[in-house]
Amino acid sequence: KNEVEQSPQNLTAQEGEFITINCSYSVGISALHWLQQHPGGGIVSLFMLSSGKKKHGRLIATINIQEKHSSLHITASHPRDSAVYICAVRYNNDMRFGAGTRLTVKP
Amino acid sequence: SAVISQKPSRDICQRGTSLTIQCQVDSQVTMMFWYRQQPGQSLTLIATANQGSEATYESGFVIDKFPISRPNLTFSTLTVSNMSPEDSSIYLCSVGEVDYGYTFGSGTRLTVV
Repeated sequence: KNEVEQSPQNLTAQEGEFITINCSYSVGISALHWLQQHPGGGIVSLFMLSSGKKKHGRLIATINIQEKHSSLHITASHPRDSAVYICAVRYNNDMRFGAGTRLTVKP
Repeated sequence: SAVISQKPSRDICQRGTSLTIQCQVDSQVTMMFWYRQQPGQSLTLIATANQGSEATYESGFVIDKFPISRPNLTFSTLTVSNMSPEDSSIYLCSVGEVDYGYTFGSGTRLTVV
């Protein structure tokens, strides 16, 4: 079993829809990261969370430390949000990555 | 947070040759990380590059295949040596900062033919 599990693997949405991507982890962590990877391969760090909730524009990330679970929400989704979203956790100075969720937003 | 310039962004290489990937950071950072992302897979840590000492390699990765240099606190290179088609992947460098989390380079998409 992977230490970081993401769901769904693939997600197709219509423009304007509310998107939720989930991440569950099985280890004690010091921080959780949500990353966005575009088709060219480059990765952008969206959020770093250790508790609670963060918001940046249309993106919202939440984490429940007790349940070892985090969610990434996208409100009013847009085709430019199409990317792979990766959940990563940091523990013992190591990073462990989820397999990613491929999001496609259709106009 | 730090800004990383990684190059080349992509390359197509002949098997048996080597490719060196460079990462330049706009500030001094203690630790730099090199990752590989094989097609359809998540990121796998290759090694941690420490300035002034040998890189620390993860299980399954060896220095002869992936030599790393870290001559100063703002620069590192990863070489993929004696390439085979199985080395076709995206390679990424990253730096970790306590306050800002992890910053990634733009990635190098390598195709070995």
